[in-house]
Amino acid sequence: DAGITQSPRHKVTETGTPVTLRCHQTENHRYMYWYRQDPGHGLRLIHYSYGVKDTDKGEVSDGYSVSRSKTEDFLLTLESATSSQTSVYFCAIRETEVEVGRSGGAPHEQFFGPGTRLTVL
Amino acid sequence: AQSVTQLDSHVSVSEGTPVLLRCNYSSSYSPSLFWYVQHPNKGLQLLLKYTSAATLVKGINGFEAEFKKSETSFHLTKPSAHMSDAAEYFCVVSEDTGRRALTFGSGTRLQVQP
Repeated sequence: DAGITQSPRHKVTETGTPVTLRCHQTENHRYMYWYRQDPGHGLRLIHYSYGVKDTDKGEVSDGYSVSRSKTEDFLLTLESATSSQTSVYFCAIRETEVEVGRSGGAPHEQFFGPGTRLTVL
Repeated sequence: AQSVTQLDSHVSVSEGTPVLLRCNYSSSYSPSLFWYVQHPNKGLQLLLKYTSAATLVKGINGFEAEFKKSETSFHLTKPSAHMSDAAEYFCVVSEDTGRRALTFGSGTRLQVQP
């Protein structure tokens, strides 16, 4: 299994409080992603990172911010949690094309963490 | 932009009978396609992946999928369902952009009856 951990695994919080979710990888991959999973929607991209301090928005980024100060950690922050942010959050990592060529892996394949279940009351 | 449509939100089969989960995709390029499985309250597990090497792709646990460009389909099949196959299945396409994010279908929940 790819070395990806997420913390916390479960969290219950109240509306209006800040929340930070952490994704940690031991694979030294350049690309990292945050998705949220909601019934009937599959997974949707919140933010992604293409290197340390390099991040960009996905399709559902409103209300979320991210930071990546080192290769192994990608943090997702809800500045002021709302009930609509109750969801399961997945982090993913991906090799560069050069790394895929060396490893023999599949282009564009992403490896997912175990997920964080967040409930906002 | 790419998109994925999973044609059935729920599929129910009897144990020992074939499984067919349907997926159509839309893409302006030669896509990378994946099937992921998620068991209840679990994470995502990669079943198989298509990356243009062969149109018939074999995955884990006896699953396979066939890439048909003319039909823009990537249906998932298994000859004989097992109770442990009950789960949600996602068809996924990779973007042809620098970020290479994944676009997920809405999922198909597979029930396996004894």
